[in-house]
Amino acid sequence: DAGVIQSPRHEVTEMGQEVTLRCKPISGHNSLFWYRQTMMRGLELLIYFNNNVPIDDSGMPEDRFSAKMPNASFSTLKIQPSEPRDSAVYFCASRPGLAGYEQYFGPGTRLTVT
Amino acid sequence: DQQVKQNSPSLSVQEGRISILNCDYTNSMFDYFLWYKKYPAEGPTFLISISSIKDKNEDGRFTVFLNKSAKHLSLHIVPSQPGDSAVYFCAASAIERGGADGLTFGKGTHLIIQP
Repeated sequence: DAGVIQSPRHEVTEMGQEVTLRCKPISGHNSLFWYRQTMMRGLELLIYFNNNVPIDDSGMPEDRFSAKMPNASFSTLKIQPSEPRDSAVYFCASRPGLAGYEQYFGPGTRLTVT
Repeated sequence: DQQVKQNSPSLSVQEGRISILNCDYTNSMFDYFLWYKKYPAEGPTFLISISSIKDKNEDGRFTVFLNKSAKHLSLHIVPSQPGDSAVYFCAASAIERGGADGLTFGKGTHLIIQP
């Protein structure tokens, strides 16, 4: 079975540009999570969806960040405009509903904003 | 304010010996705990978990111990193997919210197994 798929794996962009990160959760999983990992703050939750509906976006750092889940097999995290301090590794994770609490992580997208 | 703390950024253990990774938490609402393992350039992978109704859970070489009164948990790996070298994250969740919220992670401990 394919795991969580994220694209791109690496993104380098200039300050001010729009960045879109993509995630395909494991088929059948109905909860999806976006995390960010930095040296200073570690792994922190940005937003999560349940059945495609955003449940808690309190971790989204600013209005420059937005996330969507138009269907059960696709989600995007957008940063517009991007800033150097957004440089981090962004992980997407999915979970099969409430049956168990383990989340399955994708390989991450390493974002560098210059 | 960090709700999940892993106070040892790194730990070096000889192959074959026991590795003990520690984790403390401050939020008394947490009642489900997980350990994840992460290799470079990969996402975290689930290792083992424990509910607060238990004080121990074992899976092969991995055992997690939970001390609720001390708000402390530990992961024991015995015997340690070279493939165990990775960053280990402790994570917590609150079941009473249906587990629908995300996980709160510690900053990780880099375990190095010496041959």
